[in-house]
Amino acid sequence: QITLKESGPTLVKPTQTLTLTCTFSGFSLSTSGVGVGWIRQPPGKALEWLALIYWDDDKRYNPSLKSRLTITKDTSKNQVVLTMTNMDPVDTATYYCAHRPSGDNSGHFQYWGQGTLVTVSS
Amino acid sequence: DIQMTQSPSTLSASIGDRVTITCRASQSISSWLAWYQQKPGKAPKLLIYKASRLESGVPSRFSGSGSGTEFTLTISSLQPDDFATYYCQQYNSYRTFGQGTKVEIK
Repeated sequence: QITLKESGPTLVKPTQTLTLTCTFSGFSLSTSGVGVGWIRQPPGKALEWLALIYWDDDKRYNPSLKSRLTITKDTSKNQVVLTMTNMDPVDTATYYCAHRPSGDNSGHFQYWGQGTLVTVSS
Repeated sequence: DIQMTQSPSTLSASIGDRVTITCRASQSISSWLAWYQQKPGKAPKLLIYKASRLESGVPSRFSGSGSGTEFTLTISSLQPDDFATYYCQQYNSYRTFGQGTKVEIK
């Protein structure tokens, strides 16, 4: 059974750096083809993909946010960490991590965490 | 960047109706498209991947079709549990979600 759970601060101040951790179980990020991504959703708005890290440490970022994002993994701890710099109130959102399955037909997100709401306010 | 446009934004339908949601890509994405269902306060749930492949455990009343730039999600007979917001997502280049389609009770 694959599960993922996000953790991190619920409130950050403008200009601060956000650090979120995704802790997962039921799969290994050392398995060929597997990835973990981050997606966010401002209240009442659509989903926005942020970043994705693969089993081989290849990383992909949303081009519009690339300068502010860093994604890393700790395979031994089954964790993926996302940092976002220079937070602004418009970054207030629920942040999800999700599992990208292996396989040639993959690219979608098969399993999702419950999400964590991050509010940016002074 | 590839843009994804869903239509309609909101759809009012009754139990038993056949419902179709359209997703258009700004350039060809082959069949690299997924559909998700999201209910309020919950994480999205994968329904369809590679445009037409039904995720395990998803009811067969859901189906997906299309390739290139135009895709559809069809619910053959709308059930009470299907009232939700639906998102398409391309994975041909990076990842992009559509703006969502809310299916409401008529």
